[in-house]
Amino acid sequence: DAKTTQPPSMDCAEGRAANLPCNHSTISGNEYVYWYRQIHSQGPQYIIHGLKNNETNEMASLIITEDRKSSTLILPHATLRDTAVYYCIASGYSTLTFGKGTMLLVSP
Amino acid sequence: DAMVIQNPRYQVTQFGKPVTLSCSQTLNHNVMYWYQQKSSQAPKLLFHYYDKDFNNEADTPDNFQSRRPNTSFCFLDIRSPGLGDAAMYLCATSRDRAGARWTDTQYFGPGTRLTVL
Repeated sequence: DAKTTQPPSMDCAEGRAANLPCNHSTISGNEYVYWYRQIHSQGPQYIIHGLKNNETNEMASLIITEDRKSSTLILPHATLRDTAVYYCIASGYSTLTFGKGTMLLVSP
Repeated sequence: DAMVIQNPRYQVTQFGKPVTLSCSQTLNHNVMYWYQQKSSQAPKLLFHYYDKDFNNEADTPDNFQSRRPNTSFCFLDIRSPGLGDAAMYLCATSRDRAGARWTDTQYFGPGTRLTVL
């Protein structure tokens, strides 16, 4: 799996968009970008994934740069329940290698 | 509605006393995974089963074993738990393995928190 780099923590006001960056400059052509999150004391939860194109689902949007060296996860209207550790993973295999992630704190 | 179930949620064992953690799934997925997550760290893959095919990570200690008697169940056996094995153990499933042209997401259970006294 390609190495990913994320800021250790971010803050966001409730109702505002949360933009979580991820750098994966050594990503190879067959590696997808996955985002998972882990709310305290729970198992990780899948959010979204993509290869080249931007993706959107009911939870979030994923913006991948044209050179695929970085991506941004967007939570359009963050709520207090979005407070969690967010993991960005670049993988071309069935196994996932979790990095340290970004602790997102959503405040009232 | 539960999809990946782990029992028990909390397990206390004594140093050196074998312990078994269980995971079941209602998704009929082919792949089942076991992760270890120590306090304030990211989940670390221990091994996974693709159907009955067992795949061990290179750095998983021999103290950890796994069994998958059928599609729905998977067990994690710790033969002689040490203090350093205290952690959250996470089970996950995916429908199939990722391939070059497609990928698959993993569904995690709530975890079992293991305490070693």
